[in-house]
Amino acid sequence: SQQGEEDPQALSIQEGENATMNCSYKTSINNLQWYRQNSGRGLVHLILIRSNEREKHSGRLRVTLDTSKKSSSLLITASRAADTASYFCATTDSWGKLQFGAGTQVVVTP
Amino acid sequence: GAGVSQSPSNKVTEKGKDVELRCDPISGHTALYWYRQSLGQGLEFLIYFQGNSAPDKSGLPSDRFSAERTGGSVSTLTIQRTQQEDSAVYLCASSIITGDVYGYTFGSGTRLTVV
Repeated sequence: SQQGEEDPQALSIQEGENATMNCSYKTSINNLQWYRQNSGRGLVHLILIRSNEREKHSGRLRVTLDTSKKSSSLLITASRAADTASYFCATTDSWGKLQFGAGTQVVVTP
Repeated sequence: GAGVSQSPSNKVTEKGKDVELRCDPISGHTALYWYRQSLGQGLEFLIYFQGNSAPDKSGLPSDRFSAERTGGSVSTLTIQRTQQEDSAVYLCASSIITGDVYGYTFGSGTRLTVV
């Protein structure tokens, strides 16, 4: 079963616009991570936010975490065509087990 | 090696046959994870190893699935008597420690097709 749910399932935007996607989870977590997947194969780790952090930035990425609501958001600013991919959130519990949400498919058109 | 290596990259097998999928993690990474991803779906957790032991096997779909890890390094995922619903991409990931704050490194996966 999936740990979390992502919203929206799919997102289509134009280059230069911002893309926001949300992730909700069910159990206590140690940290939350976001990954990108191109063409249904390898996943690339984007950013990790610890359970005691509320916001984190990395380049054009901004992640927020609200543990009281068990939710996180990923914002990609000034999107590019190369950002077209599926984005997954994943949570780690105290045992280190990494569980993924169903993902958001993002399409950025030139 | 520099990354997580999985082999084969693609495998087509007949229903009822056994298959073995291999994962070679990054040297020194003690935690190793197996996931399954069906077409257009999210990642389904199968099993993870800390060293050679598997604290959590809860994701294995049936007793046809088994996995082992030897020497704290290479892991093999074995599927016996394959069924068509086993068709998916099987992804392996490793990390230095569980809950690694640097994230997990994924292999490119093995695409299994059962015909």
